[in-house]
Amino acid sequence: QKEVEQDPGPLSVPEGAIVSLNCTYSNSAFQYFMWYRQYSRKGPELLMYTYSSGNKEDGRFTAQVDKSSKYISLFIRDSQPSDSATYLCAMSAYGQNFVFGPGTRLSVLP
Amino acid sequence: DVKVTQSSRYLVKRTGEKVFLECVQDMDHENMFWYRQDPGLGLRLIYFSYDVKMKEKGDIPEGYSVSREKKERFSLILESASTNQTSMYLCASSQEGDRGFDEQFFGPGTRLTVL
Repeated sequence: QKEVEQDPGPLSVPEGAIVSLNCTYSNSAFQYFMWYRQYSRKGPELLMYTYSSGNKEDGRFTAQVDKSSKYISLFIRDSQPSDSATYLCAMSAYGQNFVFGPGTRLSVLP
Repeated sequence: DVKVTQSSRYLVKRTGEKVFLECVQDMDHENMFWYRQDPGLGLRLIYFSYDVKMKEKGDIPEGYSVSREKKERFSLILESASTNQTSMYLCASSQEGDRGFDEQFFGPGTRLTVL
């Protein structure tokens, strides 16, 4: 079993849809949960991070962590074509080293 | 603005060649990382460094070495390139902050093809 699992997609949705992206993990020591966005031919950029369980909202984006289920989600409301990218979840027990999921490729169609 | 640059966007090499991938960051970050990114496998850590002349093995160091002679520069070396090292290589840097984790800033990547 991989340490972090993520549905690779691709996921295609119409503009304005609500998008749900998910990751599961096996290491209960993970405390920090991050979502990175990677546009084509670019490096990943940090989109959001959450510490421990709970929700965090930033504009159209909401990150949720359920540590009891070892499950994290990223919701995108009112999705836009500019949201088309690969979304990578990443996790860390503490500090520098992250474990990344394989990424979900999202296409938002106008 | 935060900047991590990588020496080449695309590179084609032959089996057995020695390959150097260079990464430079201008943020005075202590930590630097080399990953490879493959479809379905995500980012896998090859090597990292917490200080000049320091290096630590990541999850998949076999076939690779690194060099960090200056704080801003971290080089990945393929001593004898093989076809299974064809991949996207991403460099990242980070600095200890007050959030409990250190945000990693990535370069644009080098797509290496070994023929």
